Amino acid sequence: GAVVSQHPSWVICKSGTSVKIECRSLDFQATTMFWYRQFPKQSLMLMATSNEGSKATYEQGVEKDKFLINHASLTLSTLTVTSAHPEDSSFYICSARVGSGRITYNEQFFGPGTRLTVL
Amino acid sequence: KNEVEQSPQNLTAQEGEFITINCSYSVGISALHWLQQHPGGGIVSLFMLSSGKKKHGRLIATINIQEKHSSLHITASHPRDSAVYICAVPSQGGSEKLVFGKGTKLTVNP
Repeated sequence: GAVVSQHPSWVICKSGTSVKIECRSLDFQATTMFWYRQFPKQSLMLMATSNEGSKATYEQGVEKDKFLINHASLTLSTLTVTSAHPEDSSFYICSARVGSGRITYNEQFFGPGTRLTVL
Repeated sequence: KNEVEQSPQNLTAQEGEFITINCSYSVGISALHWLQQHPGGGIVSLFMLSSGKKKHGRLIATINIQEKHSSLHITASHPRDSAVYICAVPSQGGSEKLVFGKGTKLTVNP
């Protein structure tokens, strides 16, 4: 299957700093990428849908000014957690989908996740 | 919005046992995903299926669209199969947004 990478795999930062997480599709072009957040012992929750070349669509309750998403190319989407606070500590996961080509419509490939700890 | 129920929540098995994990959803869908989340958190896509059955190695996934139900089976289970198995479906009909079950934590003892 297709490969999606995330960087970094884990990050520890001080409260008030900003953290950027990258999501890359390594062997296919992703017109759409999704960002999820998972708190301990809970399900993945969709934060936003990122479309290449356009603004991200955020789910209800997710602050777009706090979680900045950029999808500047067909293989890269970034999530920046601005002015991070301890309550932002979570596991952030991206997935990527291609709308045409060899990959079936609606199939999503998941990145390995980034564990963020804000002190 | 689709609602996903998985059962059991936790499952402990002895090595070699046949494992079944169930997933039910409330709204008709185009496809259902089975994912595996390792203890470190990383997620692996196991299957995406829209009908019938798919098999990959010791893993078998089935889906009954009419009954809105899917099962994930593991034959000859092994301790390395220990993980959380998650079912995911579109939030609405053909939506690309997924909603996830709470997962089934599988522990396979040697």
